[in-house]
Amino acid sequence: KQEVTQIPAALSVPEGENLVLNCSFTDSAIYNLQWFRQDPGKGLTSLLLIQSSQREQTSGRLNASLDKSSGRSTLYIAASQPGDSATYLCAVKGKTSGTYKYIFGTGTRLKVLA
Amino acid sequence: DGGITQSPKYLFRKEGQNVTLSCEQNLNHDAMYWYRQDPGQGLRLIYYSQIVNDFQKGDIAEGYSVSREKKESFPLTVTSAQKNPTAFYLCASSMRLDPSANYGYTFGSGTRLTVV
Repeated sequence: KQEVTQIPAALSVPEGENLVLNCSFTDSAIYNLQWFRQDPGKGLTSLLLIQSSQREQTSGRLNASLDKSSGRSTLYIAASQPGDSATYLCAVKGKTSGTYKYIFGTGTRLKVLA
Repeated sequence: DGGITQSPKYLFRKEGQNVTLSCEQNLNHDAMYWYRQDPGQGLRLIYYSQIVNDFQKGDIAEGYSVSREKKESFPLTVTSAQKNPTAFYLCASSMRLDPSANYGYTFGSGTRLTVV
């Protein structure tokens, strides 16, 4: 059974720091991995989607890497800003009981201090 | 702009009452999903649908029902059989469920349901 873990659960950093959020998964047979951002009381906003054949994806100050063999992904945020404060969720798409679906981690709650 | 619209944003349910959450998308996506989010837990899949007039149970379908009469719409009914319905409900869609296409999900803004 696929399990997705995100550590730490919460993180506070001063503005301007570069930071890394971690996501690990137990079953390497995945099709893709997606990183989302969730603001309090809001839905999920897609940040980056990495296909299983890819090693990384970049969008602006965000860079996500994927190492399928070790069951890990990282989300790198450069020059963090207070507006980056949110919960970051990763999700892996795999096949479970004959069904293709995403399994979500519980998220890392990030606070960037001005 | 294309996207997913969930309504209402807040919903209050009395004991023993059925309520329906709306989810509409104009992205021309084939697949739609309903998730439940509780504090400290990952999103859990309730129901999903790959095509019109077809849907499948997810991991926590008991006490819920859905319909998919139109491609654009996938309403979720929380029945009185759901004993702990207070949660944040999220609807999502994707181009198709085929994994070889490797599409990601697009989410709506959510509905917060509270039992009063």
